[in-house]
This record gives sequence, structure tokens and C-alpha cells, in this order.
Amino acid sequence: EVQLVESGGGFVQPGGSLRLSCVASGFSISRNDMHWVRQGPGKGLEWVSVVGIGGDTYYSGSVKGRFTISRENAKNSLYLQMSSLRVEDTAVYYCARAEMRTFDHWGQGTLVTVSS
Amino acid sequence: DIQMTQSPSTLSASVGDRVTITCRASQRIGGWLAWYQQKPGKAPNLLIYHTSTLQSGVPSRFSGSGSGTEFTLTISSLQPDDFATYYCQQYNSYYSFGQGTKLEIK
Repeated sequence: EVQLVESGGGFVQPGGSLRLSCVASGFSISRNDMHWVRQGPGKGLEWVSVVGIGGDTYYSGSVKGRFTISRENAKNSLYLQMSSLRVEDTAVYYCARAEMRTFDHWGQGTLVTVSS
Repeated sequence: DIQMTQSPSTLSASVGDRVTITCRASQRIGGWLAWYQQKPGKAPNLLIYHTSTLQSGVPSRFSGSGSGTEFTLTISSLQPDDFATYYCQQYNSYYSFGQGTKLEIK
């Protein structure tokens, strides 16, 4: 069974940093593009970033230059290093597996709250 | 960036109704359109990809259609489990979601 479990969320002040982790089981992340998607409180879904099978990375304009996505295939884990955090980054962050570029499995999400 | 616009934002319907949600893209996306269902406090669930292909395990009352910049999700006969929020997503150029359509019980 495919499972994705995020961790690392929490409360941080504006300008701070946080590192999210996503541990996968039931498949090897080395065979899939892996994404982060976020959802602000009461808001819709917002794509954040992707790391491809080959290690290529892409970011939404709202996080480019502040967030870094990475993967560690040996640990079957995905990461999101977030820095220079802003109040508007407050959201539930989901990791998601891509199959044929659509997100067929999601984690349960981890909440990041940025506030002074 | 490709903008995705869903309508309506909220839809009130009854069990057994046929409902349609529309998603418009700001530019042609070549059929690279998916639909997700999300229930409160839960992660989204993939329903349809490539405009009209049903994800494994998704009931056949769900269907998708469209081309170019206009796409639709239809539920042929609403069931109690279908009341949720639905999102379209384009994956032609990077990724972007519509703002969501909340399907409520009338």
C-alpha cells in the first residue's frame, strides 16, 4: 500500500525557517516525480514545487528563491526546506506522488503556521 | 502562468441530481486536465485525469469532458458521499488548480 507521511510542521515567526519531511512507503520515490502542494486556511490548493526523477526542480513563483525541494532516495524521503517564511506561507503542506503528472497519492498534510 | 477558473464556486444539489462543474483555462492546455475531490480535513483524491480518464476505483457516475480551454466534471446521480469540494488542475505547463467548487446538500 502506498503511503506518504509528512512531518516537520509547526509554528514559526516571519523570516524564520522550517524543514518539512515526507516519508514514503509502498513504492520507491526514485521512480516518480514528487511534489509539495499547500492549502491555506479556508483556501484552495496551491502547487508549490516538484522534484523530478532526474533531480530537476521547479517552483511556483510565490516560493522561488525561498524554498528548496530535495529527495533522498536511500531513505525514500522527500524534503522541503523553507526559509524567509511569510505570514502568507501559513498552510497545510501536502506531499504528493505524481503518476503521469497527476497526483495519485497524497499524504495527510502537516500544518505550518507563520505568525509573530 | 496558466490560470484556472471554476464555476460555480458553490453548488447546492440533492441526492440523485445530475450536476456539472465547469473549469476554464486561461490558455489551451491540450487535454492535460485532472479533477480532485476533497473532503474536510482530508487530502485531495484524484478522480479523473487527462480530461476524461477515470482513476481506478472511482465510481462511473463521475465523468469528465472538454477540450481546449473549457472542461467539465459531471456527476450523473449524486450520492451522499459526493458532497465535497472539487478542484480542477492543469498540468500542461507546470501545475495550477482552480479555486474549487463546494458541492452542498440542498
